Amino acid sequence: EDQVTQSPEALRLQEGESSSLNCSYTVSGLRGLFWYRQDPGKGPEFLFTLYSAGEEKEKERLKATLTKKESFLHITAPKPEDSATYLCAVQIRNSQGGSEKLVFGKGTKLTVNP
Amino acid sequence: EPEVTQTPSHQVTQMGQEVILRCVPISNHLYFYWYRQILGQKVEFLVSFYNNEISEKSEIFDDQFSVERPDGSNFTLKIRSTKLEDSAMYFCASSPPRGRPLETQYFGPGTRLLVL
Repeated sequence: EDQVTQSPEALRLQEGESSSLNCSYTVSGLRGLFWYRQDPGKGPEFLFTLYSAGEEKEKERLKATLTKKESFLHITAPKPEDSATYLCAVQIRNSQGGSEKLVFGKGTKLTVNP
Repeated sequence: EPEVTQTPSHQVTQMGQEVILRCVPISNHLYFYWYRQILGQKVEFLVSFYNNEISEKSEIFDDQFSVERPDGSNFTLKIRSTKLEDSAMYFCASSPPRGRPLETQYFGPGTRLLVL
């Protein structure tokens, strides 16, 4: 069964304290991996797409990396406004060539204290 | 910046009633999706829709669910006879025409459905 596991479930940081969030996946064939940010009561907001192992993407204080089994979201010098739940999702290859659906992890709830 | 919109933002209904959740995808997008998120749980795929037909659906998407694109702008999810366990946040998403290996799915703000 295709699975996406995120760790830790929750993370508290002080403003400026850098850290990383992990997303590990066991899927039959990966088409791509997505990172989203979700604020309470809101829809997922797109951050990054990663297609192949070794790929990296950056946006402001966030940097996403991908290996064959996991992805990391690195947060450098976070600010209180970075507080949110960060979701990882994968899109999978199937026998028909590809699946449209995203399979999500449970997310990491990040709190950045001033 | 174009965005996916959803109405209503909140819906309260009685068990057994029919509900229709509405979405306006981003205007040049051709692929449409519904997902749901039960409180405290993962976002789960329900259905994808392309070229006026369902392209993929999950085992959650049983006969009580249906989707429709009644005109050029709206995309709806109908739940015929709601159950208590249908209470969740329902998200609509859309993605642009294919032209790359993968296209990003952009999500709406959600409709919070509460079945009493």
